[in-house]
Amino acid sequence: SAVISQKPSRDICQRGTSLTIQCQVDSQVTMMFWYRQQPGQSLTLIATANQGSEATYESGFVIDKFPISRPNLTFSTLTVSNMSPEDSSIYLCSGREGWTEAFFGQGTRLTVV
Amino acid sequence: ELKVEQNPLFLSMQEGKNYTIYCNYSTTSDRLYWYRQDPGKSLESLFVLLSNGAVKQEGRLMASLDTKARLSTLHITAAVHDLSATYFCAVDSWNNAGNMLTFGGGTRLMVKP
Repeated sequence: SAVISQKPSRDICQRGTSLTIQCQVDSQVTMMFWYRQQPGQSLTLIATANQGSEATYESGFVIDKFPISRPNLTFSTLTVSNMSPEDSSIYLCSGREGWTEAFFGQGTRLTVV
Repeated sequence: ELKVEQNPLFLSMQEGKNYTIYCNYSTTSDRLYWYRQDPGKSLESLFVLLSNGAVKQEGRLMASLDTKARLSTLHITAAVHDLSATYFCAVDSWNNAGNMLTFGGGTRLMVKP
């Protein structure tokens, strides 16, 4: 399957600031997804990012807080805006083509202080 | 809304023993996926089950799918320490952007020497 390079791998940020996470795929992929994973917990889908359209956000997540870009079929970014300690989590991007298995980036471990 | 439930959520077992992890889901789906996550790492695809009665095996792990019962199992045979990880099942569903994966809560497996 394709490989996603995600960066940064970790960051410690001040509250009130924003962080942009980038994911680069080594081949074109139709669908990309952004997840949040609290330590020891499962994955919660934040949004689906398809090229050429606005991201589709899941309940509890809004564009003002988590703006997403998908400028082409190999790249996407997620910004965590106006951060608070409650945003401390692991953020994962994922790619998928149709009904195939999804593949994941390495994750970004975010700590907000 | 699709719900995916795994049990147990935590499993401590001795090397050499057998055990089964269960994944139940609430709506009709013909596709189910199993992933492995090592601590601090991303998710690695283990199995893709695409039809009722599908069975896949890799080493000491065997996964099966019963779509009528909405149940998948991940069976561990003669566990070894290297299998210690968190295992997630995931089921396809739809949102406004297309198909997406909904994850179970994860089963944290610890294999003791």
